[in-house]
Amino acid sequence: EDQVTQSPEALRLQEGESSSLNCSYTVSGLRGLFWYRQDPGKGPEFLFTLYSAGEEKEKERLKATLTKKESFLHITAPKPEDSATYLCAVQGVDSSYKLIFGSGTRLLVRP
Amino acid sequence: DTEVTQTPKHLVMGMTNKKSLKCEQHMGHRAMYWYKQKAKKPPELMFVYSYEKLSINESVPSRFSPECPNSSLLNLHLHALQPEDSALYLCASSQGRQETQYFGPGTRLLVL
Repeated sequence: EDQVTQSPEALRLQEGESSSLNCSYTVSGLRGLFWYRQDPGKGPEFLFTLYSAGEEKEKERLKATLTKKESFLHITAPKPEDSATYLCAVQGVDSSYKLIFGSGTRLLVRP
Repeated sequence: DTEVTQTPKHLVMGMTNKKSLKCEQHMGHRAMYWYKQKAKKPPELMFVYSYEKLSINESVPSRFSPECPNSSLLNLHLHALQPEDSALYLCASSQGRQETQYFGPGTRLLVL
């Protein structure tokens, strides 16, 4: 059964304190891994799609990487506006194109 | 442009009411989705439409009835809901079912 586990559940950082969020996955065959950012009461905002191990993508202070078992979302010198819940999801080749979501990491960046 | 719009933003309804949620996208996407999200939980898939045909129904109760009038619009008709149906309802779309899904802002539903 396809599964996604995100850690930590919650993370508090000081402004400028870099860190990484983890997304471990089990899937029969990976079609794609997706990172989203979600603010309270709003819809998830797309960040990155990764398709194969070794792939990396960057956007401003965020960088996503992918291995055969996990993905990391690296946040460099975060700002308070980076505070949000970060969701990881995978789509497997046998999943009828469904997204399997992790429970998310709630990030709080303090000034 | 990766915008998906949803109306209304907020909805309060009684258990005997009938209401509809609306979703629209103009990106030419051929797959559209309804998700339900409870507080501090990830989105749960409800329905998937592909080329305007229902392709996935995740065993959702019949009090939720989806409709896809055309390739740009997706509706969710609500009838005789229960208080436990209160949640954030999200619409998403993608170019195809294996492509990146883009979410709308959601409709916050409260059932009294």
